[in-house]
Amino acid sequence: AQTVTQSQPEMSVQEAETVTLSCTYDTSESDYYLFWYKQPPSRQMILVIRQEAYKQQNATENRFSVNFQKAAKSFSLKISDSQLGDAAMYFCAYRSATGNQFYFGTGTSLTVIP
Amino acid sequence: KAGVTQTPRYLIKTRGQQVTLSCSPISGHRSVSWYQQTPGQGLQFLFEYFSETQRNKGNFPGRFSGRQFSNSRSEMNVSTLELGDSALYLCASRPTGTRMDTQYFGPGTRLTVL
Repeated sequence: AQTVTQSQPEMSVQEAETVTLSCTYDTSESDYYLFWYKQPPSRQMILVIRQEAYKQQNATENRFSVNFQKAAKSFSLKISDSQLGDAAMYFCAYRSATGNQFYFGTGTSLTVIP
Repeated sequence: KAGVTQTPRYLIKTRGQQVTLSCSPISGHRSVSWYQQTPGQGLQFLFEYFSETQRNKGNFPGRFSGRQFSNSRSEMNVSTLELGDSALYLCASRPTGTRMDTQYFGPGTRLTVL
């Protein structure tokens, strides 16, 4: 089974600064998708950004961008100009292009310091 | 479109009882997955249903079961509750048929077993 590892249980960032959350995964497949989800204290999990493995260009959504390193099996999330509303648990997830199951990391709790 | 809905939002049960949780996916979504979320274990995959059939199953005991109806609504049942079943149970739906379809999560059902 694929595994997704988030090695940073907790991170903090000053408001307006930039923070990078790390994610690595283990797979023998070449075609897959990667996702970052955000779970604020209200508990509703929402999609932040997603990346297709066959696309070399890193995905970007406003202040959120990824650094996808396929050879290193690394998928980090960069949050620029951090805002108080970015405080949440962030989960990295993987899905094979030929499979239906999502594999999640254990999450990184992000604190934004005013 | 309305989002994924889950009922009830909170439940308190005692050991040995059974419980049924309900999930209504986003209209048009045929895949429904269930996850158990605990502080120490993160998101643990329970099972996925598609077109009323269980397509994937996680590593949980047989006390955990589910089903999906023809309108794609899904229920999850836990019998003979144990203290360790206390968790947030998340349901997620996704459309199928596109390459990078994404899971959309409901708000969760918080189950407390006393």
